Amino acid sequence: DTAVSQTPKYLVTQMGNDKSIKCEQNLGHDTMYWYKQDSKKFLKIMFSYNNKELIINETVPNRFSPKSPDKAHLNLHINSLELGDSAVYFCASSQELRGVGDEQYFGPGTRLTVT
Amino acid sequence: KNEVEQSPQNLTAQEGEFITINCSYSVGISALHWLQQHPGGGIVSLFMLSSGKKKHGRLIATINIQEKHSSLHITASHPRDSAVYICAATYGNKLVFGAGTILRVKS
Repeated sequence: DTAVSQTPKYLVTQMGNDKSIKCEQNLGHDTMYWYKQDSKKFLKIMFSYNNKELIINETVPNRFSPKSPDKAHLNLHINSLELGDSAVYFCASSQELRGVGDEQYFGPGTRLTVT
Repeated sequence: KNEVEQSPQNLTAQEGEFITINCSYSVGISALHWLQQHPGGGIVSLFMLSSGKKKHGRLIATINIQEKHSSLHITASHPRDSAVYICAATYGNKLVFGAGTILRVKS
């Protein structure tokens, strides 16, 4: 039983394309996140949603748009992909309303390569 | 500025050694997390603490609020402990990550 799942695991695409990454959690958590891990393995928060409401929106290009159809799902849509978007994207979830201060459960990551 | 500093950046140990990874942060955190990232890429939360000490198996995490410092200790290290260990601090509603410590335990 996968707690936090992401699809796809690998995504190779060309510059200028639009792509989506899906995330689902079956833990009943209220808060979900998207993180980006760059080539130096540095993690940075991108977005946080609590019960389908946007809580954190870091300084990311507006080509990135998160969408939460329900509290178990948080998808990431990226328009007009650029070379610099190549990274591993991790979805995570946590239990409490305040979210970020609580233990987080991570998905397996999606490795995005833009050529 | 909300920062998290980790040391060392890289650590190689012999099997059985006691290992310490350090993390320092600036004021105003509400929690400190230790994460483990395996060579395969998956990330697992090891500890979340706001005071004192926590222990899970051979892993121990401590935090000193006055000194703004946390440590992760691994006792009787084993090659399967080889991974990247990441410290992260909660500032308000935001999680800020350290750069990670690459640990390699040789048999």
